[in-house]
Amino acid sequence: GENVEQHPSTLSVQEGDSAVIKCTYSDSASNYFPWYKQELGKGPQLIIDIRSNVGEKKDQRIAVTLNKTAKHFSLHITETQPEDSAVYFCAASRTSGTYKYIFGTGTRLKVLA
Amino acid sequence: NAGVTQTPKFRVLKTGQSMTLLCAQDMNHEYMYWYRQDPGMGLRLIHYSVGEGTTAKGEVPDGYNVSRLKKQNFLLGLESAAPSQTSVYFCASKMAGNNEQFFGPGTRLTVL
Repeated sequence: GENVEQHPSTLSVQEGDSAVIKCTYSDSASNYFPWYKQELGKGPQLIIDIRSNVGEKKDQRIAVTLNKTAKHFSLHITETQPEDSAVYFCAASRTSGTYKYIFGTGTRLKVLA
Repeated sequence: NAGVTQTPKFRVLKTGQSMTLLCAQDMNHEYMYWYRQDPGMGLRLIHYSVGEGTTAKGEVPDGYNVSRLKKQNFLLGLESAAPSQTSVYFCASKMAGNNEQFFGPGTRLTVL
C-alpha cells in the first residue's frame, strides 16, 4: 500500500538555527502535501501545504519544497525559536475521491535556548 | 465556532468493555475521519465518511465500528475493547472541494 517515510524521527537545533525535515512518498498520484504541527496534548494543526503544480512555497520562516520526480518533499524552518518545539507530521494525499491522508511517522523537534 | 470537538478527553476501560467516542464539528463539513496515533507510527486512518449516512474502512478498521447519522457527528465504537486499542484517537473533518483537514483535540484511551 501507499506509505510516507519521514526523517529524522528526532531533531535538536540551537535557537536561531535552521531545521529541515524530509519526507518521501510512494503513491505517484499524490498531489497535495500538507505539514502539520502537533503541540503536547493537542491535535495536529496545519502549518503549510503545497500542491504538485508548485515546487516551493514559503510563509514567513517556514518553507516547503517538492520534487515530484523524486517523490520527495521537505519542510524548512529558519531562525528557529523555542515555540517551534513540537512534533511535525508530513502527509500525502490525492485531491479527489476520499482525500485520504497518508501520514509520515513524525519528527520531534527540540529548539534549545 | 468550536471547530472539531471530541468527547470524552480521557477514558480507561477494562478488556471486553465497550464504549463510543463522539466527534462533532460545527463547520458544515462533508468529510470526517477517525485516526489513531501510536508512538513512532504517526496517525493511521481507522474509518472515514464522505457524507451523512456513508462510512468506509481506512487502514486499520478491525475492532472498530462507526456511524454518521447526522452530518455534524461521527461516532467511533469499540464493541469489545482490547489492550491493543490503547491509543490516542483523533477526529478530523474537511469541506468538500478543499484539501485541509481540521483536527480535534484527541481522546486518550487506555484499555487495561
